[in-house]
Formats: sequence, structure tokens, C-alpha cells
Amino acid sequence: DIQMTQSPSSLSASVGDRVTVTCRASQSISSNLNWFAQKPGKAPVLLIYDASSLQDGAPSRFSGSGSGTDFTLTISSLQPEDFATYFCQQSYSIPLTFGPGTKVEIK
Amino acid sequence: QVQLVESGGGLVKPGGSLRLSCAASGFTFRDYYMNWIRQAPGKGLEWISYISGSGITISYAASVKGRFTISRDNAKNSLFLQMNSLRVDDTAVYYCARPLSSRQWLVPASWGQGTLVTVSS
Repeated sequence: DIQMTQSPSSLSASVGDRVTVTCRASQSISSNLNWFAQKPGKAPVLLIYDASSLQDGAPSRFSGSGSGTDFTLTISSLQPEDFATYFCQQSYSIPLTFGPGTKVEIK
Repeated sequence: QVQLVESGGGLVKPGGSLRLSCAASGFTFRDYYMNWIRQAPGKGLEWISYISGSGITISYAASVKGRFTISRDNAKNSLFLQMNSLRVDDTAVYYCARPLSSRQWLVPASWGQGTLVTVSS
């Protein structure tokens, strides 16, 4: 199975800040990496697929980059509605696996 | 638009069984693989199973293989998960999820609201 790790596990930031979350795969997954946001009590929402493609309806302040084993999610200017937990997920092989999440909290 | 509504969760004793359902609408159900993904309370996400549009191709996570069975009824636009020999560590919110497209079937793009399964004596 491909193991996914994320850093940091949590961060505190202010509205307007630029925020970066990192995801690493235990082996190369090409560009088969997706990012989700989840708020408490809600289902995850797809933000970025194939490492850098913005999902329909996702705000343009979200962007993704990377390939192989190292990936980054960037929020260019953090908004109040962006306080959530962010998960990466590899879609390279079965079983699909997710990172442990990065909780973005208000400073 | 895509809508997925799970049902069938509840409280069950260890060793018991439960059948989850997912009602789909807003897309041509038979054209899509479908997934079940779960999340234990306060924990991360765990993929547990997928089924192809025809129902012929099926895969399970090791943690549920031999205990859980995924199925679908394309005439009723419904997805199912039969869960047997339930264990305390199966306690989770269970989500059904539709892929991004019929080709990008490993990207779970649309999710239901989830149904909570609690396994406890």
C-alpha cells in the first residue's frame, strides 16, 4: 500500500495569509494526487485533482503542485471559510489512501 | 446536480450485521464506478471498497475483505454495503462517493452526507 504523510499536522494562520500544506507519498505516484477540504460534521470536498487541476466550483485561491512523491497545496490568501482540515489522497493505485490531514485554525 | 444520500447506519453489537444504502441521482448511475469510504470519529479517511458500473469489478480494503460485500442495483440507482461480523473498530461515518468521471474512477469527487455506524456492546 502507498503511505501518505502530511505536514504540518496543524497550523494557525490569519485571514489573508498565504498557507502551504505538504503531502508526501511513500513511492512515486506520478501526478495522481488529490486534495480535499473537510469541515466538522461535513463530507470532504474535492479541491484539486491530478496534483494541479482545480475542481469545478473550487475557489481560484487554491492551487496544487508537485509530482512523483512530493506535493503542495497552497491557499494564496486565507479566507474565513477556509478554516478546515485538508487531506491529500493518492489515486495511483488500489487501495486508495489518504494523508492524516492538516488542520488549519484561526490565529 | 449529483446527489448521494446514504442510509442504514445505526447501533449494532459486535459480531452483528448492517446493510447500508446509497441513493444516487443527478447522473447516469450505471456509467460510474462507486466507492465506499469511511471515517472513524476524529480520525482520517479510509477507502474500503469500489464497484464498477456493471458490478463485475469489485475490490476491498484488507481491513474489511471477507466481512463486507459491495453491490449495486442500476435499475434503482442504488449502491449497497452489506457489513457482517462487525467489530468495534468498524465504528465510523460511512460515505458513498462518485468518481470525478467515468475515466477518472479513482478520484472520489462527489460525496454523500454519510451515515454513522456504531459498533458497541
